[in-house]
Amino acid sequence: GAVVSQHPSWVICKSGTSVKIECRSLDFQATTMFWYRQFPKQSLMLMATSNEGSKATYEQGVEKDKFLINHASLTLSTLTVTSAHPEDSSFYICSATVFGEQFFGPGTRLTVL
Amino acid sequence: AQRVTQPEKLLSVFKGAPVELKCNYSYSGSPELFWYVQYSRQRLQLLLRHISRESIKGFTADLNKGETSFHLKKPFAQEEDSAMYYCALSGNSGNTPLVFGKGTRLSVIA
Repeated sequence: GAVVSQHPSWVICKSGTSVKIECRSLDFQATTMFWYRQFPKQSLMLMATSNEGSKATYEQGVEKDKFLINHASLTLSTLTVTSAHPEDSSFYICSATVFGEQFFGPGTRLTVL
Repeated sequence: AQRVTQPEKLLSVFKGAPVELKCNYSYSGSPELFWYVQYSRQRLQLLLRHISRESIKGFTADLNKGETSFHLKKPFAQEEDSAMYYCALSGNSGNTPLVFGKGTRLSVIA
């Protein structure tokens, strides 16, 4: 199956700093990628749809200025958490679709101190 | 509104016993339904989807449009089935995001 990677797999940062998370499709091109957020022992919640070459589409309640998404190429989407705060600590997961099936990255655990 | 409901947070069964993980959905239209599984310390992976009508690792799920359900079943549970199971739906336009249920943790006891 198709492989989606994420980097880093975990990150710890101080409050107020910005963190960039990369999502790559390794063996296929993805015009659309999705970013989800998963709190401990909870389900995945869609944050935004990342579209190559255009602006991301954010779900209601997700601050676009807080969570910057850039999809500059067909194999890379980045999520930047700006001015991170402890409440942003979570597990961030990206996915990409190939032939109607979504493949998920391994996730990035963000801890903001 | 699109919604997926998994009423059980935790389901414990003995090895060899039948398993049924419940999933109900609401969607205006004809969605695609999926079951995803997340084993300990692994990424989310597709278990099965209703359009393929496959049986994967002994699991099956039938879409019941009348009851808006997509329950996951396995006749004989194995210890290696212990994992987190998520029911999800998407629109059938091919490249749409998934709406997930809250998940059910299946624990198979030896």
